[in-house]
Amino acid sequence: GAGVSQTPSNKVTEKGKYVELRCDPISGHTALYWYRQSLGQGPEFLIYFQGTGAADDSGLPNDRFFAVRPEGSVSTLKIQRTERGDSAVYLCASSPAPTSLQFFGPGTRLTVL
Amino acid sequence: AQSVSQHNHHVILSEAASLELGCNYSYGGTVNLFWYVQYPGQHLQLLLKYFSGDPLVKGIKGFEAEFIKSKFSFNLRKPSVQWSDTAEYFCAVNADSGGYQKVTFGTGTKLQVIP
Repeated sequence: GAGVSQTPSNKVTEKGKYVELRCDPISGHTALYWYRQSLGQGPEFLIYFQGTGAADDSGLPNDRFFAVRPEGSVSTLKIQRTERGDSAVYLCASSPAPTSLQFFGPGTRLTVL
Repeated sequence: AQSVSQHNHHVILSEAASLELGCNYSYGGTVNLFWYVQYPGQHLQLLLKYFSGDPLVKGIKGFEAEFIKSKFSFNLRKPSVQWSDTAEYFCAVNADSGGYQKVTFGTGTKLQVIP
């Protein structure tokens, strides 16, 4: 079936605005991860969901960042009062079980002007 | 906390040259190790992985990596590169963080293969 999908593929916003980034994991995958990849860096862990709950949100940089997964499938990463430093590619990954290999989506490129 | 170091940020090779990309990690416990590749305009793809067993791991497209526990290293090799190997390569370590996998990536190595 289909892999991990993310929408939008590109998002341009102005400083101070609110954005939502969506991740559709592979069907049946219970574990879902968000990562952020800044220019010239490798992806950095943000948050991990097992089912509907955020089991580890230690990578979220501050309280402007929040993520939900209300039905245990689709997840939304929400960023309030965006700053230029939030510009990055936001990656989503899912796996069939918490200790299984992760499959990555294509990412959403966020640009904050 | 786990960390990953990739020593080469940008590597330029001619076709048919041999490749070795360095990767060192720091973590005292049991780890899983990965190399991911990102071709231009595409998303991250798994190249190969080491969970346990034979420390010499063979992946797709002729790549291999050797886990040397005493050196905390997991270097990526390919005997003869092709132009199509031009991509960015990420080494990653994945320690079991209490029942799930928390992946830490290196900063990546951009490989440019010249025809």
